[in-house]
Amino acid sequence: LAKTTQPISMDSYEGQEVNITCSHNNIATNDYITWYQQFPSQGPRFIIQGYKTKVTNEVASLFIPADRKSSTLSLPRVSLSDTAVYYCLVGLYNTDKLIFGTGTRLQVFP
Amino acid sequence: NAGVTQTPKFRVLKTGQSMTLLCAQDMNHEYMYWYRQDPGMGLRLIHYSVGEGTTAKGEVPDGYNVSRLKKQNFLLGLESAAPSQTSVYFCASSSPSRLAGTNEQFFGPGTRLTVL
Repeated sequence: LAKTTQPISMDSYEGQEVNITCSHNNIATNDYITWYQQFPSQGPRFIIQGYKTKVTNEVASLFIPADRKSSTLSLPRVSLSDTAVYYCLVGLYNTDKLIFGTGTRLQVFP
Repeated sequence: NAGVTQTPKFRVLKTGQSMTLLCAQDMNHEYMYWYRQDPGMGLRLIHYSVGEGTTAKGEVPDGYNVSRLKKQNFLLGLESAAPSQTSVYFCASSSPSRLAGTNEQFFGPGTRLTVL
């Protein structure tokens, strides 16, 4: 099973770019990488997903190197409302299961 | 659309009592999931369902049972609650995916359960 490793916490200030890296050394060939965001007392919310290289949407970018053993979620110009826990997940091919790690708690300061 | 709703929002049980958590979704999703989240930990998959009338075990199924009699509902049952089952329970739903992990899961607001 592909296990993910993320930093426990990160601090940032408003307006800065934040990069959260996730390690997934034993990712399988067909596994996708997905990031979710969770605010206190709420369920997680999908942010972005990718397989290789770079993916960008209206809220974030996801960078995946060629060896796919890690990935980086990039949040441009964070605001106070981006304070949350961010989870990196690796989808297990052909099982429909998602394995959540312990997540990274991002604190954004004014 | 309400999305994914969970009932109840809070519940306190005594050891040995039973209860059922209800999850409902109005997005016509085939797949539904039950997770538990404990302090300082990520979500762990309890059971899931890939269609009406089907269920499967996740990472931590012991002590729980599920049923998917209707496509829009997924029930999680605790037959004899234990303090170790104190947790926040989240339900999620998604469309079918050709490859695992490629389908966005939509989560409910959670049920906070305390077992004394």
